[in-house]
Amino acid sequence: AQTVTQSQPEMSVQEAETVTLSCTYDTSESDYYLFWYKQPPSRQMILVIRQEAYKQQNATENRFSVNFQKAAKSFSLKISDSQLGDAAMYFCAYRSAINDMRFGAGTRLTVKP
Amino acid sequence: EPEVTQTPSHQVTQMGQEVILRCVPISNHLYFYWYRQILGQKVEFLVSFYNNEISEKSEIFDDQFSVERPDGSNFTLKIRSTKLEDSAMYFCASSGGQIAPDTQYFGPGTRLTVL
Repeated sequence: AQTVTQSQPEMSVQEAETVTLSCTYDTSESDYYLFWYKQPPSRQMILVIRQEAYKQQNATENRFSVNFQKAAKSFSLKISDSQLGDAAMYFCAYRSAINDMRFGAGTRLTVKP
Repeated sequence: EPEVTQTPSHQVTQMGQEVILRCVPISNHLYFYWYRQILGQKVEFLVSFYNNEISEKSEIFDDQFSVERPDGSNFTLKIRSTKLEDSAMYFCASSGGQIAPDTQYFGPGTRLTVL
């Protein structure tokens, strides 16, 4: 069974600084997708960034980028120029071709002004 | 920008009562999902639905749960006889659009409180 592990329950970053959130996963499949979702206090799940496993190039969305290491089964999220609005729970998620999504336990990010 | 909507935002019910949570997926999406998140815990997959039938379900999705797509727009989750441990946030999601077919877009959630 696929598992997703986020080893950092909490992280904090100074406003305008850079922070990296870690995620590892376990799978025997070669074709899959990886996602980072943000959950602010409103508890809505907001897609931050996605990565297809077959792509070697790391995905980037404005201030958000990933470091995808397929062999190591690692998928970290880097947030540059952190803003107060980035404060939230961040969930790493894995989805195989079968469609259901597996989530990690989440990392609570605090941004200090 | 199209989005997934869910109603109600908060549902309070008595233990043993039936509840129906409603979702309107993004209109051109083909796959629909329900997830739940017990307070302070991870998001857990419940069920996926495609072509008017369940395509996959987790061990959480027992006989107390059912899903239905009663018309061309709504996707519902029914809990027949609610238990205290069903209190959670329930998220609907959809995928299968043309731009990013593999990406699931989530609704804002329904907070279910069972008393």
